[in-house]
Amino acid sequence: EPEVTQTPSHQVTQMGQEVILRCVPISNHLYFYWYRQILGQKVEFLVSFYNNEISEKSEIFDDQFSVERPDGSNFTLKIRSTKLEDSAMYFCASSEDTYYEQYFGPGTRLTVT
Amino acid sequence: AQKVTQAQTEISVVEKEDVTLDCVYETRDTTYYLFWYKQPPSGELVFLIRRNSFDEQNEISGRYSWNFQKSTSSFNFTITASQVVDSAVYFCALSSGGYNKLIFGAGTRLAVHP
Repeated sequence: EPEVTQTPSHQVTQMGQEVILRCVPISNHLYFYWYRQILGQKVEFLVSFYNNEISEKSEIFDDQFSVERPDGSNFTLKIRSTKLEDSAMYFCASSEDTYYEQYFGPGTRLTVT
Repeated sequence: AQKVTQAQTEISVVEKEDVTLDCVYETRDTTYYLFWYKQPPSGELVFLIRRNSFDEQNEISGRYSWNFQKSTSSFNFTITASQVVDSAVYFCALSSGGYNKLIFGAGTRLAVHP
């Protein structure tokens, strides 16, 4: 069964460093998303991406964040200068069409020290 | 404004008990979609169901059933004859307003004890 994959599973970085989180969405899906979940809290939307551009972003997704689909399979989230409060689980998701169910990857746990 | 409320923070049951997880949503849109996801201790988010606002039929899938009531803006989830493997955090989510982002509730942690 097709699935969303994410790498790395865990990333530790120092405050101020840049990190890139990688995702491979399900191959026939057209819509891609990033969400984050601070430990023990709700899942929060960050950004949605369709047709090689951002379709929507939340207030969390400020200038420190960017997304890219560098090739036909990968979808990346970059945080330019990490802060302690960026520590969270980051989930990538994809869906076949708008309003369809979103399938989530296993997540990348980001720890900023 | 769009909002999802899961008032039950934690529920603890003994195996084979039935349990209902509540979800109340808010949206001004007439077209919207509701979802349930399961997050087991391993941490991944597993899709369970999607329901659109025009379909109020209840759904049953094995031991799982969902009750959608527009009159009370609720989309409740019942597990019949619960099992230890059902222990997880369950999230209700809403998508509406021409955007397909998911707005999640705070989640309900279900613990099923043997």
